[in-house]
Amino acid sequence: GQNIDQPTEMTATEGAIVQINCTYQTSGFNGLFWYQQHAGEAPTFLSYNVLDGLEEKGRFSSFLSRSKGYSYLLLKELQMKDSASYLCAVKDSNYQLIWGAGTKLIIKP
Amino acid sequence: ETGVTQTPRHLVMGMTNKKSLKCEQHLGHNAMYWYKQSAKKPLELMFVYSLEERVENNSVPSRFSPECPNSSHLFLHLHTLQPEDSALYLCASSHNEEGYTEAFFGQGTRLTVV
Repeated sequence: GQNIDQPTEMTATEGAIVQINCTYQTSGFNGLFWYQQHAGEAPTFLSYNVLDGLEEKGRFSSFLSRSKGYSYLLLKELQMKDSASYLCAVKDSNYQLIWGAGTKLIIKP
Repeated sequence: ETGVTQTPRHLVMGMTNKKSLKCEQHLGHNAMYWYKQSAKKPLELMFVYSLEERVENNSVPSRFSPECPNSSHLFLHLHTLQPEDSALYLCASSHNEEGYTEAFFGQGTRLTVV
């Protein structure tokens, strides 16, 4: 079956750096997405990786290793507003998105 | 504001009621999706419409009935639901293409079945 694994919850301190990992086993691979979802709101797109390596976008970076079925989202200079759930999703061979359960990130002052 | 609008935002219904959820997008996308989001579980894809034709139905019970009258509108008709159907129902849209196409989500409808 298809599976996306990410930690259920993480806690970090304001101003620090946090890395959220995602491992996947899917039938085919056509890209990996990270979304941010604040409580009670819509998921919003953060990043997309289809080739191995690091994609940087301001305070957020996303890394992909296709051979290892592994990605991470790196958040730097954490702010209180970064408290949210972070969803990892992989587009499979049918171009359908397979979703992880999300990682709830708690930022403490 | 993501360009995808869902109504209502909250809905409480009895098990014998009939209600409908509405989704509207004006992003020019040609694919629309219904997802169910339950606490601490992955997003569950329910239905996919591409070019106004249903292309996916992931073994969803018949008490959920989708309708896509045009590429901008999507409905989810609900009848005789069960308490376990209480969840956040999210609508999304995208360009149905190979490769990079991000999905845009609506704010969701928080459904409670009593």
